[in-house]
Amino acid sequence: KQEVTQIPAALSVPEGENLVLNCSFTDSAIYNLQWFRQDPGKGLTSLLLIQSSQREQTSGRLNASLDKSSGRSTLYIAASQPGDSATYLCAVRSAGGSTLGRLYFGRGTQLTVWP
Amino acid sequence: GAVVSQHPSRVICKSGTSVKIECRSLDFQATTMFWYRQFPKQSLMLMATSNEGSKATYEQGVEKDKFLINHASLTLSTLTVTSAHPEDSSFYICSAGLAGGAREQFFGPGTRLTVL
Repeated sequence: KQEVTQIPAALSVPEGENLVLNCSFTDSAIYNLQWFRQDPGKGLTSLLLIQSSQREQTSGRLNASLDKSSGRSTLYIAASQPGDSATYLCAVRSAGGSTLGRLYFGRGTQLTVWP
Repeated sequence: GAVVSQHPSRVICKSGTSVKIECRSLDFQATTMFWYRQFPKQSLMLMATSNEGSKATYEQGVEKDKFLINHASLTLSTLTVTSAHPEDSSFYICSAGLAGGAREQFFGPGTRLTVL
């Protein structure tokens, strides 16, 4: 069974710092990997989606990398701002058999950026 | 982009009552809809997958008679929590996807259920 782990569970930094959020997964048979943002009491906002054949995706101050063979992804946030404070979720989409298309989520990294 | 709505956004009910949550895809036809549950500081856990016009497939440990799912059209799926109890209090999120299980899912804003 696919397991997704996110480290750290929580992170508190001053504004302006560059950040690295880590995600690891146990089964490399994935279709793609997706990073989401979740604000308290809200739904999910998709940030970046990396197909299994890709190495990275960039959107503004966000950059996500994927190393499928080692089961790892990182989300880089450049020049963090208080508005980046949220929980960041990593999810992998299964490519295998009966679980094709199913999303497996990590528990998230709760980020706080203080001014 | 694809938009998914949920209604209601928040519901408080007494123990023993039933609660219905609606999930709609507003600008696309969703052949597959997913229902997730999220407890505080926990990950999203898939409850069930439903395809339009057929019975939902429930994950292990999810009671199908308690969590009734109906996916009667390509734009609407409903989750009914029957005889709700305090332990059913959670954040319920739906997502909708296009044909082909491997495609991207689009998530609704979630429904906060509190059972007193």
